[in-house]
Amino acid sequence: EAQVTQNPRYLITVTGKKLTVTCSQNMNHEYMSWYRQDPGLGLRQIYYSMNVEVTDKGDVPEGYKVSRKEKRNFPLILESPSPNQTSLYFCASSFVGAEAFFGQGTRLTVV
Amino acid sequence: GDSVTQMEGPVTLSEEAFLTINCTYTATGYPSLFWYVQYPGEGLQLLLKATKADDKGSNKGFEATYRKETTSFHLEKGSVQVSDSAVYFCALSDPKYQLIWGAGTKLIIKP
Repeated sequence: EAQVTQNPRYLITVTGKKLTVTCSQNMNHEYMSWYRQDPGLGLRQIYYSMNVEVTDKGDVPEGYKVSRKEKRNFPLILESPSPNQTSLYFCASSFVGAEAFFGQGTRLTVV
Repeated sequence: GDSVTQMEGPVTLSEEAFLTINCTYTATGYPSLFWYVQYPGEGLQLLLKATKADDKGSNKGFEATYRKETTSFHLEKGSVQVSDSAVYFCALSDPKYQLIWGAGTKLIIKP
């Protein structure tokens, strides 16, 4: 089944404790991206990747890192999480210019 | 830069009512246009799309027509059901193949 898989679905952590949210897709898509969704602010892009070893900043990259060592994986890293990074996060993948497929989301709470 | 503007929600309707959610865009060139739907607790999924002027996308009783002259892509459905309650996002694909998102419109259908 074609899908984008994110883990974990839910995460509660403390300020400053490094964490990684994983994202994997099985559709051989070149393009992958991370979004955060906050009430009243819609979807905001954090980082995106056009292909392996090619990443670029989106609209709200501060406090986040990504890597794209393999085509199928695009982890999101928070080196030192802060409470303002409490949000719902989505990973998405697509062929360039085509419709995006989304993961189920990761609800992150930083206390 | 390119942008998408959606009508603010929430939109509350009774079952079997006619639905219109307005979406207008500004773009250079000729973008593809999309409607995505997010059901409670889930990720976004593509509802319909149109790739050129005058194209009509349709799915699950929803329709939207790509109107270049009015730069619009309004979502319509003739008779909504409680199960259509969700958040609806309009989006366009810009020349760099990035998806530009509207803020989302929450739809509430009452029985």
